[in-house]
Amino acid sequence: EDQVTQSPEALRLQEGESSSLNCSYTVSGLRGLFWYRQDPGKGPEFLFTLYSAGEEKEKERLKATLTKKESFLHITAPKPEDSATYLCAVSGPGYSTLTFGKGTMLLVSP
Amino acid sequence: DTAVSQTPKYLVTQMGNDKSIKCEQNLGHDTMYWYKQDSKKFLKIMFSYNNKELIINETVPNRFSPKSPDKAHLNLHINSLELGDSAVYFCASSQSSGTTDTQYFGPGTRLTVL
Repeated sequence: EDQVTQSPEALRLQEGESSSLNCSYTVSGLRGLFWYRQDPGKGPEFLFTLYSAGEEKEKERLKATLTKKESFLHITAPKPEDSATYLCAVSGPGYSTLTFGKGTMLLVSP
Repeated sequence: DTAVSQTPKYLVTQMGNDKSIKCEQNLGHDTMYWYKQDSKKFLKIMFSYNNKELIINETVPNRFSPKSPDKAHLNLHINSLELGDSAVYFCASSQSSGTTDTQYFGPGTRLTVL
């Protein structure tokens, strides 16, 4: 059974204080690793898809990386508007079901 | 120009009632999904439809019955509601049922069963 574990559960940063979120996964034949952002009361918003170990993707202050066992979401010089829950999900062989982690709640203080 | 929309946004009802949640996507996607997010914020797949055909049913109680009248719509009907059904239900869609396709989520429907 596919499993996704995210850490830490919650992270509090000062504005400008860079950090990383971790997503460890177990899946038999990774097809894709997805990062989403979820604001309170809203649906998950797609950020990145990574397909193979060594791949990296960037968007503004966010950079996602992938190894054979985990993915990191690096946040550089975060701003208060980056505060949200960040969700990691994986897809394996077969149909396009996503297995989600429980998320990391990020709070960036001014 | 909302991509994936759901109605209603909030639903409060009594135990034993029957209710429906509607979902529509205007992205031209072939595949749609229902996910449940429980009180611990854990998102879990319930159903997936591809071109109006059910392709995934993740051991959901048969009180839950999805219906897809066309590719752009996927509705969720729930019979005999129970307290444990209280959660946020998200609809999503993707271009196809391929394992690398990005899923786009709706805003969610918060169901509260009293």
